[in-house]
Amino acid sequence: GQQVMQIPQYQHVQEGEDFTTYCNSSTTLSNIQWYKQRPGGHPVFLIQLVKSGEVKKQKRLTFQFGEAKKNSSLHITATQTTDVGTYFCAGQWDTGRRALTFGSGTRLQVQP
Amino acid sequence: DAGVTQSPTHLIKTRGQHVTLRCSPISGHKSVSWYQQVLGQGPQFIFQYYEKEERGRGNFPDRFSARQFPNYSSELNVNALLLGDSALYLCASSSIWSGTGAQPEAFFGQGTRLTVV
Repeated sequence: GQQVMQIPQYQHVQEGEDFTTYCNSSTTLSNIQWYKQRPGGHPVFLIQLVKSGEVKKQKRLTFQFGEAKKNSSLHITATQTTDVGTYFCAGQWDTGRRALTFGSGTRLQVQP
Repeated sequence: DAGVTQSPTHLIKTRGQHVTLRCSPISGHKSVSWYQQVLGQGPQFIFQYYEKEERGRGNFPDRFSARQFPNYSSELNVNALLLGDSALYLCASSSIWSGTGAQPEAFFGQGTRLTVV
């Protein structure tokens, strides 16, 4: 079935270090969205990527969509303690259902 | 503006019982989706409604059902509860539902934490 694989499952970094999480689909995606969920909270929308090779930046966050639209990444430069949480990618395909299919998430812990 | 509101926030039920969870979308949003999030996992899609019609259903048993009302609020019903139904149930609203191309961003409520004992 249509699913997105996300790695790593967990990452612990020192404040100021960089962080990257990756998502991969075996079939071409229509688009991908990224969400952040703080501990005890709910997912909050960060960005949507639609075009092949698209790169978007939000301050220290850089989002990329692969040329084949099968993979995506989120990179955080110089992490801060406020970045703590779980980051999810959520994919959609042109065929099948139209709802979001979430990856398993990457939990980020930042040591001050 | 109020965000997506869900009720109740927490619920404890016994195996075999029935539960109804409620969701009010952001004002003006006509699409509501339900997700189940088990601890340590990503949200799993259950249902999507748009303009009171079911637009999608995930891989959940028939014990799960939902509906959307004329005011676009929604209910998720689960019958014959099992221990494995214990999870955070999230409601998400979107402005529209798109049959093709990219879907608009989803705004999630705080969720209902269901514990089945």
